[in-house]
Amino acid sequence: QKEVEQDPGPLSVPEGAIVSLNCTYSNSAFQYFMWYRQYSRKGPELLMYTYSSGNKEDGRFTAQVDKSSKYISLFIRDSQPSDSATYLCAITSGSARQLTFGSGTQLTVLP
Amino acid sequence: EAQVTQNPRYLITVTGKKLTVTCSQNMNHEYMSWYRQDPGLGLRQIYYSMNVEVTDKGDVPEGYKVSRKEKRNFPLILESPSPNQTSLYFCASSLGTEFLQETQYFGPGTRLLVL
Repeated sequence: QKEVEQDPGPLSVPEGAIVSLNCTYSNSAFQYFMWYRQYSRKGPELLMYTYSSGNKEDGRFTAQVDKSSKYISLFIRDSQPSDSATYLCAITSGSARQLTFGSGTQLTVLP
Repeated sequence: EAQVTQNPRYLITVTGKKLTVTCSQNMNHEYMSWYRQDPGLGLRQIYYSMNVEVTDKGDVPEGYKVSRKEKRNFPLILESPSPNQTSLYFCASSLGTEFLQETQYFGPGTRLLVL
């Protein structure tokens, strides 16, 4: 079993939709949770990070962590075509040098 | 402009022919890392370096070598490439390794095909 599971998609939604992206993990030692966005032919860029259960908002993006279920989510409100990218979750037990990435979910937002 | 650069961006080679992919960052970052990205497997860490002359294996180090002689450079060396090393490679760097100083900046990627 992979340490981090992520539905690869692809996911296609109309502009303005609410998008939900999810990851599950197996190791309860994981404490820090990140979401990266990767545009086509580019390297990943950090979108959000959190280290506690609950929600964290940044503009149209909300990261949600449920440690009891080992489940993390990224919600995108009012999705835009510019949000079309692959979204990767990344999890660590405490050090960025030991990031474990999900396989990524490819999202397309249609105008 | 703060950035991580990789060269070459695309490379086609044959089995057994040694190659080097260069990585350079201009942010005075201590930590640098190499990843490979394969469909369905996500990003997997190959090697990382905490500082000059300090390197360590990641999750998939077999068939790769690295060196860190200067803070800004972290080349990835494939001594005898094989077709299973065909992949998309990313170099990344960060200020440190402790959480909250660790935002990793990724390079643009190097797409390698080994025939």
